[in-house]
Amino acid sequence: DVKVTQSSRYLVKRTGEKVFLECVQDMDHENMFWYRQDPGLGLRLIYFSYDVKMKEKGDIPEGYSVSREKKERFSLILESASTNQTSMYLCASSSPGTLGAYEQYFGPGTRLTVT
Amino acid sequence: AQSVAQPEDQVNVAEGNPLTVKCTYSVSGNPYLFWYVQYPNRGLQFLLKYITGDNLVKGSYGFEAEFNKSQTSFHLKKPSALVSDSALYFCAVRRLGDYKLSFGAGTTVTVRA
Repeated sequence: DVKVTQSSRYLVKRTGEKVFLECVQDMDHENMFWYRQDPGLGLRLIYFSYDVKMKEKGDIPEGYSVSREKKERFSLILESASTNQTSMYLCASSSPGTLGAYEQYFGPGTRLTVT
Repeated sequence: AQSVAQPEDQVNVAEGNPLTVKCTYSVSGNPYLFWYVQYPNRGLQFLLKYITGDNLVKGSYGFEAEFNKSQTSFHLKKPSALVSDSALYFCAVRRLGDYKLSFGAGTTVTVRA
């Protein structure tokens, strides 16, 4: 089975802190994604990566950056956390290719609270 | 551009009754369509997908979905709902050749005993 793990289930940070969210997948997937989930808005794509050191902006990249130094690991960075970044963050991975036929596999999520 | 609409925020059914969760989509070209389920405090789990071929797709846990191109719909169905089916359901669409998966806002399903 595909396994996607996220470093923390719950995280509380203060406004202005730099926050790192880590995601690791064990299926040698080339594609990895970061989403945020908010009630009534579904999932919104923050960033995705289709290869090591490659990244593309999603729908809501402002205030976030990402890092992919190794194939299995994709990190989301909040440069200076703000209260409007309080949310559930979900990482996902999928098999390679741009044809889009492959489903994404999700981690358990990190519920981040910024105070 | 691509988008998904789930017109119902909540669906309530009695155990044993049929369950339907509605989804309509908008995408240029041929769509790839997906359903995911999220149980409380968990990540999303893949249920089923439509890529091509038979319009009726069968997935996990007894769920199925019907692709209707003329109505641009991909409704999720289960003939006999269980209390354990209570969860948040998401429909998603992707266009051929695109990395991006666009999700609907989600539908909360409550199955009462």
